[in-house]
Amino acid sequence: GAGVSQSPSNKVTEKGKDVELRCDPISGHTALYWYRQRLGQGLEFLIYFQGNSAPDKSGLPSDRFSAERTGESVSTLTIQRTQQEDSAVYLCASSRQGSSTDTQYFGPGTRLTVL
Amino acid sequence: AQRVTQPEKLLSVFKGAPVELKCNYSYSGSPELFWYVQYSRQRLQLLLRHISRESIKGFTADLNKGETSFHLKKPFAQEEDSAMYYCALRTGGFKTIFGAGTRLFVKA
Repeated sequence: GAGVSQSPSNKVTEKGKDVELRCDPISGHTALYWYRQRLGQGLEFLIYFQGNSAPDKSGLPSDRFSAERTGESVSTLTIQRTQQEDSAVYLCASSRQGSSTDTQYFGPGTRLTVL
Repeated sequence: AQRVTQPEKLLSVFKGAPVELKCNYSYSGSPELFWYVQYSRQRLQLLLRHISRESIKGFTADLNKGETSFHLKKPFAQEEDSAMYYCALRTGGFKTIFGAGTRLFVKA
């Protein structure tokens, strides 16, 4: 079936505006992850959803960041009052169960530019 | 602190030459280590994991707990190996820590 999809692929916004990024995981995958990748850096864990359990939000950098997921479907990552340092590629990944042996399948990412 | 270090941002080798991409980690527990690869205009994807002790596309990686390393090796590089390579550490559960990546360029 289709892989992980993300939208939009690119987003340019002005400082102070809110943005919403979307992730569609692979059907049947119960685990979903969000990462941030700043230019020239590795992936930075943001948040993890596993089934109907409470998400692990320990990687969210500030309270301007939030994410939701309904059941085992689409997830949205919201950044309020965007700042220039939020500019990055935001990657979403899903895996079958969320166990340590699972393979994470990545989406193409959303490139966010905050002017 | 848990950390993954890839000391080389760029590694350039000739086709047919051996290649080693370095990865060192910092973690006091029992680590799970992975190599991910991103080819041009493609998504990030898993290359191999230490627990499987596998060889994928001719690449191997051995976990050395004494040196806290998980270097990726291939005896004869091919042009199609040119890509961005990320070493990653899973510290139990689901959280994965990635290194900054090494860009491998294989010259003809």
